[in-house]
Amino acid sequence: GAVVSQHPSRVICKSGTSVKIECRSLDFQATTMFWYRQFPKQSLMLMATSNEGSKATYEQGVEKDKFLINHASLTLSTLTVTSAHPEDSSFYICSATLTNYGYTFGSGTRLTVV
Amino acid sequence: DQQVKQNSPSLSVQEGRISILNCDYTNSMFDYFLWYKKYPAEGPTFLISISSIKDKNEDGRFTVFLNKSAKHLSLHIVPSQPGDSAVYFCAASNTDKLIFGTGTRLQVFP
Repeated sequence: GAVVSQHPSRVICKSGTSVKIECRSLDFQATTMFWYRQFPKQSLMLMATSNEGSKATYEQGVEKDKFLINHASLTLSTLTVTSAHPEDSSFYICSATLTNYGYTFGSGTRLTVV
Repeated sequence: DQQVKQNSPSLSVQEGRISILNCDYTNSMFDYFLWYKKYPAEGPTFLISISSIKDKNEDGRFTVFLNKSAKHLSLHIVPSQPGDSAVYFCAASNTDKLIFGTGTRLQVFP
């Protein structure tokens, strides 16, 4: 079946630094990739949608300059949290989809900003 | 505005009994609904889905019911097993986006 690899699974960074999270579709070329954020005991909130070779579409309230998304190929999307602050600490999950083949999720990245 | 809602944050069920997880939505344009299971620190795992043209879909112990007039769907798990203990999210889609509910934590006890 379709597999999405997300790396790293955990990261701790200092406030003010930037962190990059990678999302790879291992055995299929993803038409679209999504980035979600989950706060404790809350829903998975869609942050942005990205298509290969084009700019990401951000959901309302998500700062595009803070959460940089690059979708350089059909198998790789990256989310960079710039100038991270403690309130950015969260669980980030990517998802990849190929039209008519459903959604496959990465295993998530726990970001802790200290 | 929460378009997909799961009003029960938690549910506790005895092993062997039926677990019923509920989900309500507000957007009548949603045409596809999915249920995911999620363990802590892991990504969601797909369980079962249903198209808006159907009212029931069954896969083994899992059955999803859709009531479009009430904008309500439910996931039935029978018989429930301890390994089913997890957080269950419903999700709805009308384009390529998935909108998730807030999740229900299911605990199946022996």
